Amino acid sequence: QLQLQESGPGLVKPSETLSLTCTVSGGSMTNYYWSWIRQPPGKGLEWIGYIYDNGNTNYNPSLRSRVTMSVDTSKNHFSLTLTSVTAADTAVYFCARGPYVSGSFAFWGQGALVTVAS
Amino acid sequence: DIQMTQSPSSLAASVGDRVTITCQASQDINILLNWYQQKPGKAPKVLIYDASNLVTGVPSRFSGSGSGTDFTFTISSLQPEDVATYYCQQYNNLYTFGQGTRLEIK
Repeated sequence: QLQLQESGPGLVKPSETLSLTCTVSGGSMTNYYWSWIRQPPGKGLEWIGYIYDNGNTNYNPSLRSRVTMSVDTSKNHFSLTLTSVTAADTAVYFCARGPYVSGSFAFWGQGALVTVAS
Repeated sequence: DIQMTQSPSSLAASVGDRVTITCQASQDINILLNWYQQKPGKAPKVLIYDASNLVTGVPSRFSGSGSGTDFTFTISSLQPEDVATYYCQQYNNLYTFGQGTRLEIK
């Protein structure tokens, strides 16, 4: 069974860079899209962007200027960096496989809470 | 941007009740809509794809309908384990989610 696990610092200072990694196990990364989705505490879901196994990316226009994603299929992981963070970037960050069939996200990590505070 | 508006934002119903949630898109998205269930502290789980298709293994009491801009998600007979927040998600143009509907047992 495919499993995804987010890792990275849980606390980031304002104006600094948030970095997270998602490790994929139980399946191949090849021929799939891999996304980051976030959820501020008590709020809804926001798609941040995706990366394909060849490194092609597509980002949410609202975050495009601050987001970079990378992938290393040999190590079975992909990563997110978000620069110049503010308190508004405090959220649970999920990694997910997708979009896949019918634009859905079928496999998700458990989520990692990242708090932006000094 | 395509905006997705769900209603209601929360509701409480009794076990066995029929529950309906609506989702409206800010522009025509054909049937390019999915529905998710998120239980507290967990990741979302996709239940319905392409507006009305049930994901394999999802109980048949869940259903979806609609096309264009107006969509409906229904639980035919509410069970205690259905307590969750439900989200619609469009994929006609990138990916956006509704704001969620929190469902509780009365």
